[in-house]
Amino acid sequence: QKEVEQNSGPLSVPEGAIASLNCTYSDRGSQSFFWYRQYSGKSPELIMSIYSNGDKEDGRFTAQLNKASQYVSLLIRDSQPSDSATYLCAVNLRGYNKLIFGAGTRLAVHP
Amino acid sequence: GAGVSQSPRYKVAKRGQDVALRCDPISGHVSLFWYQQALGQGPEFLTYFQNEAQLDKSGLPSDRFFAERPEGSVSTLKIQRTQQEDSAVYLCASSGLGQGLNTGELFFGEGSRLTVL
Repeated sequence: QKEVEQNSGPLSVPEGAIASLNCTYSDRGSQSFFWYRQYSGKSPELIMSIYSNGDKEDGRFTAQLNKASQYVSLLIRDSQPSDSATYLCAVNLRGYNKLIFGAGTRLAVHP
Repeated sequence: GAGVSQSPRYKVAKRGQDVALRCDPISGHVSLFWYQQALGQGPEFLTYFQNEAQLDKSGLPSDRFFAERPEGSVSTLKIQRTQQEDSAVYLCASSGLGQGLNTGELFFGEGSRLTVL
């Protein structure tokens, strides 16, 4: 079992819809969870971080964390074609000073 | 500099050649990370420095891989006797004092794309 798992996609949604991206992790003691966005040929950039159970909203983005289920999700409301990218889930495993990334989910928003 | 700078952006090497990839982190950032990203995959951790100390090198795939950060700023990732499976994008990221991993904000460079023929 990989430490951080994501569906590779592609996830295709129409413009204006809600895109839902999911991630599971193996270490129950993990403390910190992040979503990075990576455009094709570019480097990852942080879009959301979440540390406690529940929802965290930032503009059109909402991160959701359920530590009991070891599950993190990212919702993108009113999806735009410019949101088309790969979304990487990253977890700070307990006791390790590094981020472990999932393989990423490719999102395609079509007009 | 304003961001993390990596060079070269592209490197083509013949199998068996040695390569050196350079990372210049954001000024003042004490933490520096190297990741390897194969096509269609997420970044895989290679190694981590805090200042000049290499605190974690558990992700280096073989003893052909070596990283250093002698003065606590610029870092070099060296790959000896390159193999085709080393072809990937090598990402460098830095994180500032006081931020550390609690914020998770790693600032990534644009990467060095290595192709081994």
